[in-house]
Parts: sequence; structure tokens; C-alpha cells
Amino acid sequence: DQQVKQNSPSLSVQEGRISILNCDYTNSMFDYFLWYKKYPAEGPTFLISISSIKDKNEDGRFTVFLNKSAKHLSLHIVPSQPGDSAVYFCAGGKTGANNLFFGTGTRLTVIP
Amino acid sequence: GAGVSQSPRYKVAKRGQDVALRCDPISGHVSLFWYQQALGQGPEFLTYFQNEAQLDKSGLPSDRFFAERPEGSVSTLKIQRTQQEDSAVYLCASSSSQGRQGYGYTFGSGTRLTVV
Repeated sequence: DQQVKQNSPSLSVQEGRISILNCDYTNSMFDYFLWYKKYPAEGPTFLISISSIKDKNEDGRFTVFLNKSAKHLSLHIVPSQPGDSAVYFCAGGKTGANNLFFGTGTRLTVIP
Repeated sequence: GAGVSQSPRYKVAKRGQDVALRCDPISGHVSLFWYQQALGQGPEFLTYFQNEAQLDKSGLPSDRFFAERPEGSVSTLKIQRTQQEDSAVYLCASSSSQGRQGYGYTFGSGTRLTVV
């Protein structure tokens, strides 16, 4: 029962261009979403979040968009940098619950 | 230490062997979580501690899995009679927050368990 899905296992983007990572979810009870970034041999690190009452959250080069009617969110990275190369996980959560539901991740490669 | 420390980094176990995985959270972090990440998958929740109390173990896949945090700091995840399907990276995360989960998480680098 995959409640959060990332259908693109990998993405390659030229340095300086926009990276768009997509995420779909099935559980309408999620009221917040998080993006994590993971480098090899390290644990995931928190990147950016969005509450379900918003449709956009921006933090520097990173913007997350939420379309509740489509149960879809996306992470935009502009401009992309080689250091952004990592695996990105989308996760959904419900206030009061103890766990997060993660997608399978998208490996982003930014080509210099 | 500055981060969440997990040991061992790698563990190879023969099928049927018992294993113990250790997590040293950030000092003072109240909340501690264990997640299992199988190859090509995202992390999946196993269990949650608030101090020494195990408040949620709904994600433990079988009664062969047991976790403890007796003094509210270091936690151990024990797997008895390991099976090949237990092969995965086991991630520990700690947080000072007791609110919405995930915001204040610091993950360790994980223990990669391979059952042969």
C-alpha cells in the first residue's frame, strides 16, 4: 500500500536549469508534506515542507507546490547546482500520527 | 555527539542469526524513531519512542523484531532469527520535537543489514 509515490526514479538536469521532482499521494488525510535530500552513505536530511492549507512554500532556490485536488506535489530547484545531486524523498504526514509515509525517491543528477 | 550515530554501519548475518543494531541519538532528543529502507524503496516506519516509552510499534513487521530504549537515550533494535527479507538499511532518527513528525528529524547514516 504505497501511499506516497515518486514515479520518476531518476532525473538529469544541466547546471543552472530548473529541476522539477514530482510526487503523488493517495491518502487525503495527510495534512503536511516534507522533502528530504539524501547523499550516499548518509541519512536523509530535511529540505523543505508544506502544510496542506498552502499551495506553495519557498525557501531560497527550493519551492514546493501542492495541488490538493490532484493529490500532487512538486519540488522545484532553481537554479540547479552540482551539489544538488542526491536522492530526493517526498513524505506525507498527519498531525498527531507518529509516522511519515515516504516515496521511493528520485535520484537527481545535475550535470556541470 | 553532534549527530545521530548508528552502529554497526554494515552487518552480514547468516539466516537464523540474531542481530542487534544500535542508535545513539542527539543528546536531549526526546523522540526516537526506527525506519526500515529496503533496496529501491523509501524508508518505512517501524517504531517510535518518547523518552523510554515505546509509544508506537505498529510498523514492526513481525514478533521477531524488538526495540528498546531503557534509559531514554540509546536505543537498540533487535531482530531474532533473521530472514533474507530482513535485508535492508535500518535508519534511526531523533527529534527534540513532539509535534508534527519529520520537521525536526535528524537521521543517522543507517545500518545496512544483509542476511545470507
